[in-house]
Amino acid sequence: QVKLLQSGAALVKPGASVKMSCKASGYTFTDYWVSWVKQSHGKSLEWIGEIYPNSGATNFNEKFKGKATLTVDKSTSTAYMELSRLTSEDSAIYYCTRPDSEGWFAYWGQGTLVTVSS
Amino acid sequence: DIQMTQSPASLSASLGETVTIECRASEDIYSNLAWYQQKPGNSPQLLIYDANSLADGVPSRFSGSGSGTQYSLKINSLQSEDVASYFCQQYNNYWTFGGGTKLELK
Repeated sequence: QVKLLQSGAALVKPGASVKMSCKASGYTFTDYWVSWVKQSHGKSLEWIGEIYPNSGATNFNEKFKGKATLTVDKSTSTAYMELSRLTSEDSAIYYCTRPDSEGWFAYWGQGTLVTVSS
Repeated sequence: DIQMTQSPASLSASLGETVTIECRASEDIYSNLAWYQQKPGNSPQLLIYDANSLADGVPSRFSGSGSGTQYSLKINSLQSEDVASYFCQQYNNYWTFGGGTKLELK
């Protein structure tokens, strides 16, 4: 079955960067886009962006352009998201998710908690 | 960008009751709408897609309806395991989520 396994929680200082991973299994990694979603504490969900592993093509929510960088390693079926110039506003849980071919998010990782604090 | 307005933000209901959550899109999303359930400490889980199609394994007490800009999620005969937050999501033009509804037991 489809699984998305995310990296563990991170505590990072303001101004630093953080890179998190999402290892996919149970399907052909290069056939589906991978999206990333932010959930700030107690709040709703925001779509950050997506990457197509086969080509590396990306699309972003305008709000996260310049903040998030998406990459993949096809050899390990792993997607990565790096967040730069971190502030307290970036403290959140970040999910990777794989849309169904029609667009809804059928599969979700368990989330990576990022805490930005000095 | 398509905005999704979800109501109510919180809801308290009794076991066995029927509850309805609404979601309004800022433009026609042609039934490209999903509903998710999120329990504390867990990832969101798909409940409904294409506005009214039940995802695999979801109990039949959940149902979705609507078209155009107005959509709703109904839970019949509320169970204790339904205590969670619920989110709508449009996927007509990229993805946008509603603000969420926190459902508690009265």
